[in-house]
Amino acid sequence: EADIYQTPRYLVIGTGKKITLECSQTMGHDKMYWYQQDPGMELHLIHYSYGVNSTEKGDLSSESTVSRIRTEHFPLTLESARPSHTSQYLCASSRGTDHTDTQYFGPGTRLTVL
Amino acid sequence: SQQGEEDPQALSIQEGENATMNCSYKTSINNLQWYRQNSGRGLVHLILIRSNEREKHSGRLRVTLDTSKKSSSLLITASRAADTASYFCATPGGSNYKLTFGKGTLLTVNP
Repeated sequence: EADIYQTPRYLVIGTGKKITLECSQTMGHDKMYWYQQDPGMELHLIHYSYGVNSTEKGDLSSESTVSRIRTEHFPLTLESARPSHTSQYLCASSRGTDHTDTQYFGPGTRLTVL
Repeated sequence: SQQGEEDPQALSIQEGENATMNCSYKTSINNLQWYRQNSGRGLVHLILIRSNEREKHSGRLRVTLDTSKKSSSLLITASRAADTASYFCATPGGSNYKLTFGKGTLLTVNP
């Protein structure tokens, strides 16, 4: 098991609420990633970070935002959740030394917005 | 844009049989990775094959890479019920250490 953690594992909230999905890793990895995955579908990269104070948007447009104030922590925030945000959110990290790097994934947060 | 695409989308076999999944990709790559995802969980890295390798083994896993056909295959031998999962291929997604994942193959191994 990788040392990367996500909380909460499941979240059911009402429309309009602000939420933060937590992701932490204890491997000292510089690179961190957020993916969105609908059931039975592919992963879509929505945010990534090269290191502290570095964040970039991914390939799939997302209304969420991220921050990277500490190496080990990469939270994702939705200011006003909507039913269209219902999905599974996966956090991952890698050493980022080259393109052969393995990505290590957390268990995911399954978000349901009513 | 999607780089890798797995085939078949779903595969159901009996315990003890071999399972073969294929991945096709569009642009030149220097490596290809395979990941596994149990239902409702994160992905776990299985194996990486570099562009100068044609075949690689890890336990019951055998991966091949044909760069001329832009395709890779993952073979799981003597499958077990615990191998039931989705399997994804991943290719470098351009710069900055990103990976692009395919849609995955859902493997069901029946006891």
